[in-house]
Amino acid sequence: GIQVEQSPPDLILQEGANSTLRCNFSDSVNNLQWFHQNPWGQLINLFYIPSGTKQNGRLSATTVATERYSLLYISSSQTTDSGVYFCAPLSDSNYQLIWGAGTKLIIKP
Amino acid sequence: EAGVAQSPRYKIIEKRQSVAFWCNPISGHATLYWYQQILGQGPKLLIQFQNNGVVDDSQLPKDRFSAERLKGVDSTLKIQPAKLEDSAVYLCASSPMSGLAGVNEQFFGPGTRLTVL
Repeated sequence: GIQVEQSPPDLILQEGANSTLRCNFSDSVNNLQWFHQNPWGQLINLFYIPSGTKQNGRLSATTVATERYSLLYISSSQTTDSGVYFCAPLSDSNYQLIWGAGTKLIIKP
Repeated sequence: EAGVAQSPRYKIIEKRQSVAFWCNPISGHATLYWYQQILGQGPKLLIQFQNNGVVDDSQLPKDRFSAERLKGVDSTLKIQPAKLEDSAVYLCASSPMSGLAGVNEQFFGPGTRLTVL
């Protein structure tokens, strides 16, 4: 099956810093979602991005499907950005999300 | 637009007891998913419904877990009897349709945190 690798596994930053989170996947996919899981456990949809670049406020994402990776950019980090960020490509064989292990982000005030 | 609703939000039971979780997906979403998330891991798919039919339940421990979606709308996940290792967050998600590229964005409910003592 498809393997998903996220890096870095952990990231600690000061408020105001910028960061780039990476997601590599081992096979072709139909689509890809990025989620933020906040400290209360809620999974929040960030992007649904098969290819190209999308932006939403301080966050943006780029997926290069032909090279099998996606990047999530967070600019001017805030403490509320803390949590775990998951990348989940959508398998084109069964249309199910394949989950990475996540990147745990801690933003210090 | 209302999101995915789940209840209860928290549940504490003793091992060998039974428990049930309820999920109401986003209106009009044909596909409903139940996931189990152990602390520190990504969600694990337990079962996927398309309308009221099961698409995939290959990772559902059928000796103790059951799920139904009788009218193709809300769904119930049951554990009977519960084991200590069932302590986890149970997440419900829905998407507009399965099997077509571009219409499979999944939206998640707040989850039910289960503790088995």
